[in-house]
Amino acid sequence: TQLLEQSPQFLSIQEGENLTVYCNSSSVFSSLQWYRQEPGEGPVLLVTVVTGGEVKKLKRLTFQFGDARKDSSLHITAAQPGDTGLYLCAGVKETSGSRLTFGEGTQLTVNP
Amino acid sequence: KAGVTQTPRYLIKTRGQQVTLSCSPISGHRSVSWYQQTPGQGLQFLFEYFSETQRNKGNFPGRFSGRQFSNSRSEMNVSTLELGDSALYLCASRPGYGEQYFGPGTRLTVT
Repeated sequence: TQLLEQSPQFLSIQEGENLTVYCNSSSVFSSLQWYRQEPGEGPVLLVTVVTGGEVKKLKRLTFQFGDARKDSSLHITAAQPGDTGLYLCAGVKETSGSRLTFGEGTQLTVNP
Repeated sequence: KAGVTQTPRYLIKTRGQQVTLSCSPISGHRSVSWYQQTPGQGLQFLFEYFSETQRNKGNFPGRFSGRQFSNSRSEMNVSTLELGDSALYLCASRPGYGEQYFGPGTRLTVT
C-alpha cells in the first residue's frame, strides 16, 4: 500500500492545455516535495512545501499543500512539450526522520 | 560543482550473484540515501548514511546492505540476486538535511 497516492497515473494532453496532478494520503507530512524525472536521469526537485495551505508558483507551475498537510496538487498552465516527464510527489513524515516517501508518479506527455 | 555520480550506469547480473553499486556525492555533502525504482512499486527508500553511520533504513530484506566511507562515498550491495531486484537504483546526497540531489541511477537487470 502506497502512503502517497498520485493521480492520474498517466496523462496525455495537447500543447496549451492545463492540467492538475494530485497527491493524496491519510498521513500527515511535515513537508512535501515535487520532483520531475526524465528518462535516464534521476529526479530533480521542483519545489518543497512545508506549511498547510501553502501555495507556491514556479512560472507556469502552481503547487499547493493541503490545509491538513495530507495532500498536495500540482497545476500546470498552458503545458508545453518540454513539460513532458514523470512527476513525483514525496513526503517527509514527522515520525520517519528524514526519509522520503514517494508517490507512484504521474507520467505526463504533452503533444505538440 | 559536480553532481552526484553513480557507477556503473548499467549492469546485467544472473540470479544468485551479488552486486555492488557505487555513489559519489556532491562535494561537501555528508548524507547519502539510496532508493530503488521499479515500474510497479515506484521509488522506495532503502537506507541513508550520514558520516559513515546508517541513519535510517527502509523495509528491504537483509540482502540489501550499504556502507559509507570517510570521504562520504557510498556503496550498496545486493547479495543472492533475484529477478525482482531488477530496477533503477538511485543515490541522493545532501549536506545534512534538506534538499536531496539525485544521481542518474544504475540500471540493474537480473536474468
